[in-house]
Amino acid sequence: QQQVKQSPQSLIVQKGGISIINCAYENTAFDYFPWYQQFPGKGPALLIAIRPDVSEKKEGRFTISFNKSAKQFSLHIMDSQPGDSATYFCAARVTGSARQLTFGSGTQLTVLP
Amino acid sequence: NAGVTQTPKFQVLKTGQSMTLQCAQDMNHNSMYWYRQDPGMGLRLIYYSASEGTTDKGEVPNGYNVSRLNKREFSLRLESAAPSQTSVYFCASSENVGVGEKLFFGSGTQLSVL
Repeated sequence: QQQVKQSPQSLIVQKGGISIINCAYENTAFDYFPWYQQFPGKGPALLIAIRPDVSEKKEGRFTISFNKSAKQFSLHIMDSQPGDSATYFCAARVTGSARQLTFGSGTQLTVLP
Repeated sequence: NAGVTQTPKFQVLKTGQSMTLQCAQDMNHNSMYWYRQDPGMGLRLIYYSASEGTTDKGEVPNGYNVSRLNKREFSLRLESAAPSQTSVYFCASSENVGVGEKLFFGSGTQLSVL
């Protein structure tokens, strides 16, 4: 049973375009929503994260939008670059449960030059 | 600044063989984790250790055992490997960065069980 549903599975975007990856969850006890970026042959690395008390967080070209009522959150990559080509994972954590980050299934992003 | 170091990077086993995946971190983190990554499944937690001397099961612990040898090292053992354990295994440690936990991953071990 996947508690965090991520879409799309793969995404192809032209350089300079906007990449959008969506995640949905059911468990209202989730209180922390990070996004991880993984390059081939490497481990994932934290990209950006948000708590549910804010609706948006921006770091450079990367923005998380959070809709608490719809139980959805998304990653927007503005001005996408070929160097952004990677696999992106959303994740969520239950309040007080440091051990349990539940990951989405991942989105393979390809940015064409 | 090594971060999280995993060994080996690649391993091929026959069904029934055993092996231990090694992991060490040099960031003085209390919490360490073992995940497996399978296509279309994301990352799934196998075992977790909140501190030296403690371990806890994650989402998919069957067929695995772990040892938190000291604060730096956290090993994962497959006692009798099965083809279903073919996967990429990641070790991680974490620190609290205010908004939540930040995981630091190793570069992974690609395991094939024939």
